[in-house]
Amino acid sequence: AQTVTQSQPEMSVQEAETVTLSCTYDTSESDYYLFWYKQPPSRQMILVIRQEAYKQQNATENRFSVNFQKAAKSFSLKISDSQLGDAAMYFCARGNQFYFGTGTSLTVIP
Amino acid sequence: DAGVTQSPTHLIKTRGQQVTLRCSPKSGHDTVSWYQQALGQGPQFIFQYYEEEERQRGNFPDRFSGHQFPNYSSELNVNALLLGDSALYLCASSLESASNQPQHFGDGTRLSIL
Repeated sequence: AQTVTQSQPEMSVQEAETVTLSCTYDTSESDYYLFWYKQPPSRQMILVIRQEAYKQQNATENRFSVNFQKAAKSFSLKISDSQLGDAAMYFCARGNQFYFGTGTSLTVIP
Repeated sequence: DAGVTQSPTHLIKTRGQQVTLRCSPKSGHDTVSWYQQALGQGPQFIFQYYEEEERQRGNFPDRFSGHQFPNYSSELNVNALLLGDSALYLCASSLESASNQPQHFGDGTRLSIL
């Protein structure tokens, strides 16, 4: 099965603190891409970060980084120094046909 | 640089009707994908168009069909609408020449079936 699982429907974090969102996936392919997307209430899906499966180095984009564990098929997103604007639904996705998880709603507490 | 644009923004239909949704890809992109996002769920892949042909298809019935035009814009058609078709329909574009590149999404069309 080509599934993506996000086991945390909701998460909250204090402003300026760090939060980690979990994602696991299933695939029979050896080379693939993984993505985290953010969907604010305005609903447009925005790319946060992506990871190429053949690269062992974890991707980083400013305050956003991933912990990619290929053998465990795990792809978590870490948000450092959380800001109010980070509040949104976060979706993990596996590339090519883009299988999405069910999302994690992140609340940032001032 | 124009991003992905979708029309209309909102649409209300009744059961059994047919609907057409439209999408213009981001400038420079040649591949268009369509997704259905039910309330509180992640997007579900419907199909993808490249070179005016359906290249991949998700687990959706034949009531869902599409088209891509020579200018890369695309339409999603849904026939015999059911109440369960109520959802946000997202269009995303990307570059075929760079598979697995990030998809750029539009704001979506909110379809309500009465």
